[in-house]
Amino acid sequence: EVQLVQSGAEVKNPGESLKISCTASGYIFTNYWIAWVRQVPGKGLEWLGIIFPRDSDTKYNPSFQGQVTISADKSINTAYLQWSSLKASDTAIYFCARSFSYSSLSLYDPWGQGTLVSVSS
Amino acid sequence: DIQMTQSPSSLSASVGDRVTITCRASQGINTWLAWYQQKPGKAPKSLIYSASYLQSGVPSRFSGGGSGTDFTLTISSLQPEDFGTYYCQQYQTLPLTFGPGTRLDVK
Repeated sequence: EVQLVQSGAEVKNPGESLKISCTASGYIFTNYWIAWVRQVPGKGLEWLGIIFPRDSDTKYNPSFQGQVTISADKSINTAYLQWSSLKASDTAIYFCARSFSYSSLSLYDPWGQGTLVSVSS
Repeated sequence: DIQMTQSPSSLSASVGDRVTITCRASQGINTWLAWYQQKPGKAPKSLIYSASYLQSGVPSRFSGGGSGTDFTLTISSLQPEDFGTYYCQQYQTLPLTFGPGTRLDVK
């Protein structure tokens, strides 16, 4: 079974750094893109960017470039999303998702369960 | 960026009703369109890809259509478990973009 399991909920203060993870199983990790998608509670889905774990080729949504960093460690089948300095506006649920095809232009299936990041002083 | 819009933003329908949700792209995307269902507190689940192809395991009462800029998701006979929010997503061009969602309540 193809599965993505994300790290647990985080509560942080503004200005702190954070790295959340997404661990894949049930398929060849290096063959598919992993995306990160943000959902502010009660709002819609926003695509942050994608990474191809085989060579760490990464593509960002220009709206989020410089605000987050996407990385992957293919030795442990894990992708990451990190912030160097969190803001209150980063409060959201963050989903990782696997590309359905080998292309960077793809729908996503399956998805991780989501990681709630809460940023508040 | 390609902007995606959906209508209606919300609707309420009865079990057995035929329901149609519309998605429009700001420029032509051929059939590079997917539909997702999201239930409260859960991750989205893909239903349809390439505008009209049903994902494995998705009930046949779901169907998709359209090409270019105008697309539809139809539920032929609404079931109680079909409540949730439905999103379209284009995957022709990066950045990939989602529609704002259509919230479906079952009366």
